[in-house]
Amino acid sequence: NAGVTQTPKFQVLKTGQSMTLQCAQDMNHEYMSWYRQDPGMGLRLIHYSVGAGITDQGEVPNGYNVSRSTTEDFPLRLLSAAPSQTSVYFCASSVRRETGELFFGEGSRLTVL
Amino acid sequence: AQSVTQLDSQVPVFEEAPVELRCNYSSSVSVYLFWYVQYPNQGLQLLLKYLSGSTLVKGINGFEAEFNKSQTSFHLRKPSVHISDTAEYFCAFSGTYKYIFGTGTRLKVLA
Repeated sequence: NAGVTQTPKFQVLKTGQSMTLQCAQDMNHEYMSWYRQDPGMGLRLIHYSVGAGITDQGEVPNGYNVSRSTTEDFPLRLLSAAPSQTSVYFCASSVRRETGELFFGEGSRLTVL
Repeated sequence: AQSVTQLDSQVPVFEEAPVELRCNYSSSVSVYLFWYVQYPNQGLQLLLKYLSGSTLVKGINGFEAEFNKSQTSFHLRKPSVHISDTAEYFCAFSGTYKYIFGTGTRLKVLA
């Protein structure tokens, strides 16, 4: 009963490097999303997807790309990492877009030096 | 603009005392309201949600919340807290395909 799985749990990058945070869910949820959590700012939506092949921007999309080729996977790509992207990233999914409970992964802590 | 405001960043309370965590929202359309809890080094998990119907909603671990449309509030309450309730609590609403979260309230239960 895996739920939402995020990898890696921890990552250190240098400024300018690129990387992909992986997110997979095994609940056949149509809705998936990425948030970043920063002290005092709560969770801010980066990108979301309402189904395979469909993605859209959230509140803070700059510097991040996403794609949704399958229902299960929703990777988040950092194109050229900056210190401002140091954060904890959470992937979440839901069976129904607006009324459903969000199921969260355990988070990925990213540090950009 | 749609937003969620959690008025208290930290709430200390003694064990077995009641607690209320405040949440106000701003939206021009109907919303669905949620409270999530985050224990240290974990993801968030759902405490309770309001979709429609009765304005008093009961959740897990003895928590409840009341939806007040006129005051645009959705405050979370528990009549008697335990040490294990120490965590961060997030109010959220969803609408137009996006979930919007508040900045969180850190509940610290003191022995």
